[in-house]
Amino acid sequence: DAGVTQSPTHLIKTRGQHVTLRCSPISGHKSVSWYQQVLGQGPQFIFQYYEKEERGRGNFPDRFSARQFPNYSSELNVNALLLGDSALYLCASWSMPGRSNTEAFFGQGTRLTVV
Amino acid sequence: AQSVTQPDIHITVSEGASLELRCNYSYGATPYLFWYVQSPGQGLQLLLKYFSGDTLVQGIKGFEAEFKRSQSSFNLRKPSVHWSDAAEYFCAVDYNQGGKLIFGQGTELSVKP
Repeated sequence: DAGVTQSPTHLIKTRGQHVTLRCSPISGHKSVSWYQQVLGQGPQFIFQYYEKEERGRGNFPDRFSARQFPNYSSELNVNALLLGDSALYLCASWSMPGRSNTEAFFGQGTRLTVV
Repeated sequence: AQSVTQPDIHITVSEGASLELRCNYSYGATPYLFWYVQSPGQGLQLLLKYFSGDTLVQGIKGFEAEFKRSQSSFNLRKPSVHWSDAAEYFCAVDYNQGGKLIFGQGTELSVKP
């Protein structure tokens, strides 16, 4: 089975631009969550989606948005990019979030650089 | 506020020596607890997890962790470190048992030959 796939792997954008990051979860997993990992820090929770509905949102500005499609893949969108948005963006795929014996499987991430 | 603390930013151990990485979490109720490892430029790999039951949990690559409710801690241990264990280690907590992970800032492990 394929793991969690994220695209693109690397991206360079200019301040003020918009970016879309994509994530395909593990087959059969219905939940996806997004994390931002700034260099030297732990990942910060951005969004969680389950069955195409938003289930949680972290402390991020409205410039950040996401959605989940019927096939459970997901997009993270960031508008009006700032230099501080430069980070590794990680997607996690969950089978049954919150259930005992579940776990999050992480993709390799998308490295976003804003110049 | 819900938070996870990893007091050690960087630890260096000799190959073959034992290892303990510390993790403390805030909050009253027992959350779900996880340890992840991240190699440079890579995503996160789950080492082990605790939901309930036996407070000593075994994970992959010879790692184990012990949950101590009285200390709000979930420390990671390995009896004999290998050079390939050099990486960044993250403790994570799911307070609401709903799939939202809160991570510590990480501990970078270096291994001396």
